[in-house]
Amino acid sequence: GAVVSQHPSRVICKSGTSVKIECRSLDFQATTMFWYRQFPKQSLMLMATSNEGSKATYEQGVEKDKFLINHASLTLSTLTVTSAHPEDSSFYICSARVLRTEAFFGQGTRLTVV
Amino acid sequence: AQSVTQPDIHITVSEGASLELRCNYSYGATPYLFWYVQSPGQGLQLLLKYFSGDTLVQGIKGFEAEFKRSQSSFNLRKPSVHWSDAAEYFCAVGARGGATNKLIFGTGTLLAVQP
Repeated sequence: GAVVSQHPSRVICKSGTSVKIECRSLDFQATTMFWYRQFPKQSLMLMATSNEGSKATYEQGVEKDKFLINHASLTLSTLTVTSAHPEDSSFYICSARVLRTEAFFGQGTRLTVV
Repeated sequence: AQSVTQPDIHITVSEGASLELRCNYSYGATPYLFWYVQSPGQGLQLLLKYFSGDTLVQGIKGFEAEFKRSQSSFNLRKPSVHWSDAAEYFCAVGARGGATNKLIFGTGTLLAVQP
């Protein structure tokens, strides 16, 4: 199956700094990428949908100025957590989708804000 | 609105026993249906999916799922569980049509396997 690579797998940052997470489709072009957030022992919550070359669509309640999403190419989407705070600590997972096929998921990024 | 319900938060089965994980969905039409498995600290791996056709779907690792339209269910089954199956399982639905259809996930079922 298709491979989605997410980097970094773990990151610890200081409160107030920004962190960038990359999501790459390695062997296919992804017209659409999704960013999810998962709290401990809970399900995945969709944060936003990004389409190559256009602005991301954010789910209700997600701060677009805090979670900046860029999908500049068909193989790369980035999520930047700006001015991170401890409550932003979570597991972030991206997925990439090609038209009507299933979504392929990255390995996830564990963000800890101290 | 679309929603997915996994009634069982935590299930424990003995190794070698059969397994059924429940999933019910709410959607105006027939959605795409998926089961994913997640090991601790890892991303999600697709077990199987239903798009159309035969309502009994075979997946990887010996899993299968049956789509029952009348019950709005897509339960996951395995005849004999292995210790390595211990993980969290998520059912998900996706809307038909369009290239940007997102997935809605259930809350997950944590499977423990005892010797």
